Amino acid sequence: AQSVSQHNHHVILSEAASLELGCNYSYGGTVNLFWYVQYPGQHLQLLLKYFSGDPLVKGIKGFEAEFIKSKFSFNLRKPSVQWSDTAEYFCAVNSYNQGGKLIFGQGTELSVKP
Amino acid sequence: DVKVTQSSRYLVKRTGEKVFLECVQDMDHENMFWYRQDPGLGLRLIYFSYDVKMKEKGDIPEGYSVSREKKERFSLILESASTNQTSMYLCASSQVPQGNYGYTFGSGTRLTVV
Repeated sequence: AQSVSQHNHHVILSEAASLELGCNYSYGGTVNLFWYVQYPGQHLQLLLKYFSGDPLVKGIKGFEAEFIKSKFSFNLRKPSVQWSDTAEYFCAVNSYNQGGKLIFGQGTELSVKP
Repeated sequence: DVKVTQSSRYLVKRTGEKVFLECVQDMDHENMFWYRQDPGLGLRLIYFSYDVKMKEKGDIPEGYSVSREKKERFSLILESASTNQTSMYLCASSQVPQGNYGYTFGSGTRLTVV
């Protein structure tokens, strides 16, 4: 079955540490890729998205993600995390073969210690 | 900004009750979606709609139905609520067919079935 996998369920980092959250998908064909963030008690917000072009995508708040087609991956990175980055992060894929549905990974909870 | 409004933030219902969750968007989006969010499972698609009176099953439609009589409103119906439907329910909308530009989410309804 087609799916989206996030490797880490819970990541704990200290402030200023570097972050990389893994995301792999199993869809074939053309895909659009997204990272969403959910801060405690808030609704989901779009962090960044990839449709085409430069596989290195920059988003809000210093986040970036790299699309590696050969690895079916779209990993999220940030060079130096802050306490305010504590949130749950979701990778999502929209495939034309799936009629435009947005399919999510399981989510990764990030806790940043001050 | 697009606003997606879910009528209730918290709901407590009894087993066997018929439950209506309402979602309204104010930007004339064609596409609307219902997800449920559970820890460790991410967001799973229940139903979606690309147009008025149109609906399609998502990945977990069992026990649910939907109604879209007007473009701005998409209702999720639990015909006979059960305890395993205790969850956070998220409504989303998108403007472009295929959802290429991402989705805007409501704040969610936390439903508890007792």
